[in-house]
Amino acid sequence: RKEVEQDPGPFNVPEGATVAFNCTYSNSASQSFFWYRQDCRKEPKLLMSVYSSGNEDGRFTAQLNRASQYISLLIRDSKLSDSATYLCVVNGYYGQNFVFGPGTRLSVLP
Amino acid sequence: GAGVSQSPSNKVTEKGKDVELRCDPISGHTALYWYRQSLGQGLEFLIYFQGNSAPDKSGLPSDRFSAERTGGSVSTLTIQRTQQEDSAVYLCASSTGTGKGNTIYFGEGSWLTVV
Repeated sequence: RKEVEQDPGPFNVPEGATVAFNCTYSNSASQSFFWYRQDCRKEPKLLMSVYSSGNEDGRFTAQLNRASQYISLLIRDSKLSDSATYLCVVNGYYGQNFVFGPGTRLSVLP
Repeated sequence: GAGVSQSPSNKVTEKGKDVELRCDPISGHTALYWYRQSLGQGLEFLIYFQGNSAPDKSGLPSDRFSAERTGGSVSTLTIQRTQQEDSAVYLCASSTGTGKGNTIYFGEGSWLTVV
């Protein structure tokens, strides 16, 4: 089983739609959780950290369920500019690497 | 600049040649990572350095790949006797540390094409 798994995608949604991505991780000792965004032929960039209580940043909402080892990202009112690959990232204790999921590609269509 | 800096941005090399890719992390970041990403694929972990600890080399795909980090700052990834399957973008990243509360930041990558 891979350490971090994501919805395979791609997701093709119309502008204005709400879309949700799911991610599961296998290491119960993981401590930090993130969503990164990667545009075509660009480097990954931090979208948001994910906190235990859940957090929101504008149209983006991230949730963490430690018991189920599950992370989600919800995008409301999708924009064309949201088209990208979304990477789920998990980090463990000191000395542990950041582990990236394979990514879920989103295409927002006009 | 304030971000992770990588060079060269693009490199075309002939099969069998050696290449060196350089990464200058964000100032003050003690952890440095190398990843590889082939076109349309996910990130593949290669190696990571944390302070003065021995590097985690578990992701290096073969003994043709090596990396060093001098003075706890700049890192060089070396690929010997390049093969066509080495063609990819090599991404360097850094963080203030590892574990809870740290965030990883990427450079723009070095695009390697082996012909």
